[in-house]
Amino acid sequence: LPVLTQPPSASALLGASIKLTCTLSSEHSAYTIEWYQQRPGRSPQYIMKLKSDGSHTKGDGIPDRFMGSSSGADRYLTLSNLQSDDEAEYHCGESHTIDGQVGWVFGEGTKLTVL
Amino acid sequence: EVQLLESGGNLVQPGGSLRLSCAASGFTFSNYAMSWVRRAPGKGLEWVSTISVSGRSTSYADSVKGRFTISRDISKNTLFLHMVNLRVEDTAIYYCAAYRPKEAFTYWGQGTLVSVSS
Repeated sequence: LPVLTQPPSASALLGASIKLTCTLSSEHSAYTIEWYQQRPGRSPQYIMKLKSDGSHTKGDGIPDRFMGSSSGADRYLTLSNLQSDDEAEYHCGESHTIDGQVGWVFGEGTKLTVL
Repeated sequence: EVQLLESGGNLVQPGGSLRLSCAASGFTFSNYAMSWVRRAPGKGLEWVSTISVSGRSTSYADSVKGRFTISRDISKNTLFLHMVNLRVEDTAIYYCAAYRPKEAFTYWGQGTLVSVSS
């Protein structure tokens, strides 16, 4: 199974940009991942599905200032013009099917603080 | 408006049992596969179990296999998770989530808290 690694925390100033990283285990570097946002006390919300070539499909209502990109085993979520509302935990996840059984793995999440 | 409403979470002793429910509305439940995802205190998300659109196929994380059973009632637009032999490490907020095959988790419930403690 792939392992997804995320730094535990990140911070940036209001109005600035930040690039969050999710790194796939090397043997799974071509996999597609999903990004989710979870605000404090709320349930997760789907942001986008991000492929190894950087192409991505966003969920309904996700603003243009949320962008995805990829490089090798790294999958990035870039947030521009940070708002206070962006302060949240960001999770990356990967879905797979092995022997007909579907499953997901998630990273440990990155807590984003907007200063 | 899409709604997934979980219920059934509670404080239970180790070895105990619980049944979680997730009532769906606002979308065509029979077109979506359903999953349970949990988040333990201080940890990230953990996928628990998935049931297919038809209900004929299920899968489980190794950590819950043999103890948890997922099911769905299409006629009642409801998803269930029957949990037995609960352990302290099962303590978490449990979310139900809906997705169309090969897509991501589009809809999430608000979560229900399961606490396992003596």
